[in-house]
Amino acid sequence: EIVLTQSPAILSLSPGERATLSCRASQSVGSYIAWYQQKPGQAPRLLFYDSSNRASGIPGRFSGSGSGTDFTLTISSLEPEDFAVYYCQYHNNWPPQSTFGQGTKLDI
Amino acid sequence: EVQLVESGGGLVQPGGSLRLSCAASGFTFNSFWMDWVRQVPGKGLEWVSRINSDGSSTSYADSVKGRFTISRDNAKNTLYLQMNSLRAEDTATYYCARDKNPSVAGFDYWGQGALVTVSS
Repeated sequence: EIVLTQSPAILSLSPGERATLSCRASQSVGSYIAWYQQKPGQAPRLLFYDSSNRASGIPGRFSGSGSGTDFTLTISSLEPEDFAVYYCQYHNNWPPQSTFGQGTKLDI
Repeated sequence: EVQLVESGGGLVQPGGSLRLSCAASGFTFNSFWMDWVRQVPGKGLEWVSRINSDGSSTSYADSVKGRFTISRDNAKNTLYLQMNSLRAEDTATYYCARDKNPSVAGFDYWGQGALVTVSS
């Protein structure tokens, strides 16, 4: 079973700064990684699918990269609304498996 | 506009059963795979189950296998999760989510969630 490890657990930054969030898989997952943003009391929101494909409506300051075992979500210049929890997800249909990382809280 | 609306959550005793529903609108429901994801209050996300577009193939997390059953009624544009033999550790908010595409990784639409509390 594939395990995703996100780091850091908490990232404290200020608006305008650059954020780099990491997601590491326990074995190669190709590019089958998605990234989500979740704010308190809300459902998760898809940011990227297949590692680097930006979902509809996601601002250009967000970028996703990586393949194999190491993946990165980068926010080039933080806006106040970006402070939230971010999750990576491995998702594949065969063999059927879907697993989330434990999350990174982006804090002011 | 794509909408997913869960219902059926509530308080249930350990060992009891509950059925969640997810009403879909704004898209061709029978063309998309669907999933259930849960989240313990204050904790992370856990994938629960998936069903393909015509309902012929399903998969489950080990933590719910044999106790939960996912199904769908494409005529009613509704996804279901039948939960039996519920345990305290099943207490969570349950989200239904749409697979963007069976061959890519990503759930592009989510419902607002239904809270299930398992307690005596």
